[in-house]
Amino acid sequence: GAVVSQHPSWVICKSGTSVKIECRSLDFQATTMFWYRQFPKQSLMLMATSNEGSKATYEQGVEKDKFLINHASLTLSTLTVTSAHPEDSSFYICSASRKQTNNQPQHFGDGTRLSIL
Amino acid sequence: SQKIEQNSEALNIQEGKTATLTCNYTNYSPAYLQWYRQDPGRGPVFLLLIRENEKEKRKERLKVTFDTTLKQSLFHITASQPADSATYLCALANTNAGKSTFGDGTTLTVKP
Repeated sequence: GAVVSQHPSWVICKSGTSVKIECRSLDFQATTMFWYRQFPKQSLMLMATSNEGSKATYEQGVEKDKFLINHASLTLSTLTVTSAHPEDSSFYICSASRKQTNNQPQHFGDGTRLSIL
Repeated sequence: SQKIEQNSEALNIQEGKTATLTCNYTNYSPAYLQWYRQDPGRGPVFLLLIRENEKEKRKERLKVTFDTTLKQSLFHITASQPADSATYLCALANTNAGKSTFGDGTTLTVKP
């Protein structure tokens, strides 16, 4: 299989707190990981592409200083929501593609529900 | 601008029938197309991938077609079951690098 583990699955915290979300590929190496945000009844909105050993590529309109991404190894990427505010509350999902040939599907984690009070 | 449309925001069918979901795109030259299933509160699960030079792919009760002239993909679930009820997303990648754009999804409900 191709298992991606995302942790934590659920976070509730006060406004101003920084929250770190981890995304791990458990049984394969992932050169590239993606971070998405999803609002209720809407599709996935790509926030950034995370490449192992290099800086993440952010989509237009996504603040790189607000959403810090680190991809230190072929099996781990982290997203840190810095100084979170209620408007950052959302469902955040990561995905990973195998470090092999091209035309690979994405394998998703189960998401993190972030609620900022 | 690039656009992906999954028509029928919701699709209701009777158990045992074939569900057909549609994904249309404009201003796009995808290298490959993917279909995913997403259950409420969960991450999407990969189902099938079809490349630009392929016409059809099958996996058990699932079938995907890809018509690059019509700019359309059809996703079929045969002998549908209530357990097939979920939101189905199509996603297009216009390079081999893996970055994909997702449609808004179609929510399928299979009634017993």
